[in-house]
Amino acid sequence: GEDVEQSLFLSVREGDSSVINCTYTDSSSTYLYWYKQEPGAGLQLLTYIFSNMDMKQDQRLTVLLNKKDKHLSLRIADTQTGDSAIYFCAESRDTGRRALTFGSGTRLQVQP
Amino acid sequence: NAGVTQTPKFQVLKTGQSMTLQCAQDMNHNSMYWYRQDPGMGLRLIYYSASEGTTDKGEVPNGYNVSRLNKREFSLRLESAAPSQTSVYFCASSEVTLPTSYGYTFGSGTRLTVV
Repeated sequence: GEDVEQSLFLSVREGDSSVINCTYTDSSSTYLYWYKQEPGAGLQLLTYIFSNMDMKQDQRLTVLLNKKDKHLSLRIADTQTGDSAIYFCAESRDTGRRALTFGSGTRLQVQP
Repeated sequence: NAGVTQTPKFQVLKTGQSMTLQCAQDMNHNSMYWYRQDPGMGLRLIYYSASEGTTDKGEVPNGYNVSRLNKREFSLRLESAAPSQTSVYFCASSEVTLPTSYGYTFGSGTRLTVV
């Protein structure tokens, strides 16, 4: 989606932290999501954040939202080989088309 | 198991052939969506149905038609397939019209190749 941008690839070592970044352009975004896609599978919702929040933590996952810069990040602590997948950020707007707009996805490769 | 079921999982078509991709959800969700996924381009919205009886175009509707048959089923039809429609197609549903914290539930996808 042209309104949501992500870097294409990230490689980390097992046990390190991973940080996946996303920028979006629409200030009317209300919810922002992170999805995970494993090979040959559909997308699975990992977590979400509402636009009036700055941070959300869910076990190993931390989502940071900088609304001023329209920047969203997903931090995975203690990254495991099972975290290797494509991660998509997505936004949901309060006006216009009521559907999610996805970024192009970041492929996370975890090296043992 | 509850969820979104897509059929078929794989399909090869010749240019000009037609086919319908089927999608059904058993979660009593109101809204349903069709996306296509192409390498490096993320997911792009083809059509969506905010509620039973309504359908709307997304970003890339050309060459496709949809039918919201009932609350459970939302089908995608390619009338005359073209190689540019080679892609992985995902159906998704959501409990209510977005925005919502629930996001989508996705099907496992249909991998379509047009030769």
